[in-house]
Amino acid sequence: SQQGEEDPQALSIQEGENATMNCSYKTSINNLQWYRQNSGRGLVHLILIRSNEREKHSGRLRVTLDTSKKSSSLLITASRAADTASYFCAVSTMEYGNKLVFGAGTILRVKS
Amino acid sequence: GAGVSQSPSNKVTEKGKDVELRCDPISGHTALYWYRQRLGQGLEFLIYFQGNSAPDKSGLPSDRFSAERTGESVSTLTIQRTQQEDSAVYLCASSPTGLARNEQFFGPGTRLTVL
Repeated sequence: SQQGEEDPQALSIQEGENATMNCSYKTSINNLQWYRQNSGRGLVHLILIRSNEREKHSGRLRVTLDTSKKSSSLLITASRAADTASYFCAVSTMEYGNKLVFGAGTILRVKS
Repeated sequence: GAGVSQSPSNKVTEKGKDVELRCDPISGHTALYWYRQRLGQGLEFLIYFQGNSAPDKSGLPSDRFSAERTGESVSTLTIQRTQQEDSAVYLCASSPTGLARNEQFFGPGTRLTVL
C-alpha cells in the first residue's frame, strides 16, 4: 500500500474544538508535508517538517513527527468553520526521488 | 504574483475523443508535476518535469497519456481515446526546484468528465 496514509478518514467537530489528524508512512523520509484542499480543487501547502525535526508550529497549526513510529500528526487548535476541508499528508522519500507521495486524506468538517 | 493556472477548468468529452489539458506554472519554477485525483481519493502522481532533464513518466497509467513541457514554461497533458475511467480532476503543481524539500504550488485543476 502507499505511503502517507491518514486517519481518520473523516472527522466532524464543533467550532472551537481541536482537530487532530494522523499520518503514517512506511520508509525513511526526507520530509513530510501537510496540504489542505477545499472543494476538490487545488491544494494549499500548510507546513513542512524535516526528518530531523520533531515539532513545528504555524499559527493554529501544530505538526509533530515521530520517525521511530513513522508517523506524524496535524493539530488544528480552536477550529473554525473555514477550516472545513480535506487535509493530506505527503512524504518525500529517497525511494521516490523528487516526487511527493500523497495519502488519501482526512475530510474535516467544522460545524458552527 | 500569479500562481499556477490551468485550463480549461472543466472539460466534458465523449468516450474515444482526445483531450488536451494545459498548465502554466509559476514563472521561474523549474519543476512541474501532474497528478490525477479521482472523486474522494488522494493524488495519484502522473509525470514530473525538471528543467531540461528527461521527464519522469513512471506514473502515467497507459500509453494513451502523454505530456510535454517547453523549457521551464507551459505544459500540456494529452489523453488520447479517452475512457470513462479517465474522469477525474487533473492537478498541476510547480516547485522552485525539483527537490522535494520545497513545497509544491498547485493550480486549481481541470475537472474532466468522459461520457
